[in-house]
Amino acid sequence: AQSVTQLDSQVPVFEEAPVELRCNYSSSVSVYLFWYVQYPNQGLQLLLKYLSGSTLVKGINGFEAEFNKSQTSFHLRKPSVHISDTAEYFCAVSDQTGGTSYGKLTFGQGTILTVHP
Amino acid sequence: DAGVTQSPTHLIKTRGQHVTLRCSPISGHKSVSWYQQVLGQGPQFIFQYYEKEERGRGNFPDRFSARQFPNYSSELNVNALLLGDSALYLCASSLSGGRHNEQFFGPGTRLTVL
Repeated sequence: AQSVTQLDSQVPVFEEAPVELRCNYSSSVSVYLFWYVQYPNQGLQLLLKYLSGSTLVKGINGFEAEFNKSQTSFHLRKPSVHISDTAEYFCAVSDQTGGTSYGKLTFGQGTILTVHP
Repeated sequence: DAGVTQSPTHLIKTRGQHVTLRCSPISGHKSVSWYQQVLGQGPQFIFQYYEKEERGRGNFPDRFSARQFPNYSSELNVNALLLGDSALYLCASSLSGGRHNEQFFGPGTRLTVL
């Protein structure tokens, strides 16, 4: 079984400041890693994903994340945020093995990012 | 192209009733997954279907059931509704349902159980 922990439930930040949203996971097998964003009254939109290869992954809207296998972390970063980045962000994992968990995403609790002017 | 669509947008039911939620995947996608998102929490996996067969099931009671039709659309059914079933129900589609495939989410159906 896997679990995902997002270490901050809320992150307030001023516009144009850098931000880091933290995500740690626990799994007995190798995983794929994802970050999704959810704007109010909308579904989830994929920001970026790590499948293999380079541990630094670049996504949409200027976001990037770094996979750290030894620390089982996948933190999301943006060097300069905008008001429009205000949303809830979810870290998710899916395992790379077979079984009944085929295609299942396990999500963290979410981090609400609020960007202030 | 149209994204994942879900109907209805909102729904209010009373305890003990039955509800059916519907989802249409992106054209060409053959896999549909259902998630429950309780307020303040991340989505929880309920089911995944691929080519009309159940491929995965989360830790939900048998009151929850689903099916996928030949056109790849899907229904989620919940019987004997409880107050705790109040949530946003999200449908996601992907090309083949593989673990590395991107899942595209619909806007969700907000279910309120009174």
